[in-house]
Amino acid sequence: KQEVTQIPAALSVPEGENLVLNCSFTDSAIYNLQWFRQDPGKGLTSLLLIQSSQREQTSGRLNASLDKSSGRSTLYIAASQPGDSATYLCVPMNTGFQKLVFGTGTRLLVSP
Amino acid sequence: EAQVTQNPRYLITVTGKKLTVTCSQNMNHEYMSWYRQDPGLGLRQIYYSMNVEVTDKGDVPEGYKVSRKEKRNFPLILESPSPNQTSLYFCASSLRDSGTEAFFGQGTRLTVV
Repeated sequence: KQEVTQIPAALSVPEGENLVLNCSFTDSAIYNLQWFRQDPGKGLTSLLLIQSSQREQTSGRLNASLDKSSGRSTLYIAASQPGDSATYLCVPMNTGFQKLVFGTGTRLLVSP
Repeated sequence: EAQVTQNPRYLITVTGKKLTVTCSQNMNHEYMSWYRQDPGLGLRQIYYSMNVEVTDKGDVPEGYKVSRKEKRNFPLILESPSPNQTSLYFCASSLRDSGTEAFFGQGTRLTVV
């Protein structure tokens, strides 16, 4: 059974800092791993999708790495901005599984 | 544009009054599913569908029904809503099973009074 842990649970930083959000998962037989952000009460926005054959994926100020064998993924946010304030969710994806398993997320607050 | 569309976005209803939340995707995805999100509990799966006419229960199916008559649509039906079904609901789709990239709808905020 896949279990996902995200550390830290909450993070509050001043604008401009570089951030590291950690995700660990118990079943390393994944096909993909997807990072989402969710604004309070809103939908899930896909940030990055890393396929199991990749080690990292970049989009703008975001970089996600994947160490499949150790069951870990890291999301780096460079030069954080107040608009980055949201909850970030890591979702490892196993083929043959009938549901997505979500971590509890990291709640990020970036202050001006 | 590839998307998953849910309607309505917001709904306030009374206990016992049947309602349907629609979900439609334009990506020819086989797999669709419904989740509810509650504070402190994260996202929990209600129902999923692997293809047309193939549906199955998720973790919290009580009080809900679904149907998959067409590939693009996967409505969520609450036959007799109760206050404990007040929640934020998400529809998701992916090409095959849950191992492929997931696309989410914008969410439906349901309040049952």
